Amino acid sequence: GAVVSQHPSRVICKSGTSVKIECRSLDFQATTMFWYRQFPKKSLMLMATSNEGSKATYEQGVEKDKFLINHASLTLSTLTVTSAHPEDSSFYICSAHRGSGNTIYFGEGSWLTVV
Amino acid sequence: AQSVTQPDIHITVSEGASLELRCNYSYGATPYLFWYVQSPGQGLQLLLKYFSGDTLVQGIKGFEAEFKRSQSSFNLRKPSVHWSDAAEYFCAVAPFRNQGGKLIFGQGTELSVKP
Repeated sequence: GAVVSQHPSRVICKSGTSVKIECRSLDFQATTMFWYRQFPKKSLMLMATSNEGSKATYEQGVEKDKFLINHASLTLSTLTVTSAHPEDSSFYICSAHRGSGNTIYFGEGSWLTVV
Repeated sequence: AQSVTQPDIHITVSEGASLELRCNYSYGATPYLFWYVQSPGQGLQLLLKYFSGDTLVQGIKGFEAEFKRSQSSFNLRKPSVHWSDAAEYFCAVAPFRNQGGKLIFGQGTELSVKP
């Protein structure tokens, strides 16, 4: 079964509203999670590193006020797309790193459509 | 500039033929190296990874990859392609070994399989 779970898998929201995507590690604690964005037929772009108990580290060019990341517990990171616009429509995917075994687990991804 | 390059955007091979997908990276030290596969609309599946040791790595679904330090390459191979192998393939690197889990992806190679 899934080791990292994302929810929702698909979401449609109206332009101007905010939407939250959750990423959970199901059977291990993850002090660090990662958020990626993928446009159709494109590669995955690292958006930010989510750090438990501290601020996220954003990659260059990613608006931190637009893509709010919260990592309040060792098993949950959330990505909130604020004041969403149609150009924010994309596939968002998270990953979590398990130190023991040095393994990376990806979530199933979340399709966001802003109408 | 630091990067991961997959030179081939799209490759078509006949079913039963051999396959090689290219991946080159430009990072100072040897990063961790990965190959993932993604079917349309789906998440990522790990095919194989290289951390250290034997430079020929065996993965799932009959895939293998060879790390060549001198060429900064990590090419993916399969001796006989099946129609079900048609998908998008991504090479990824973890450039900083002490930042486990942070991956940089190549542009991807779309594989089509002819009957």
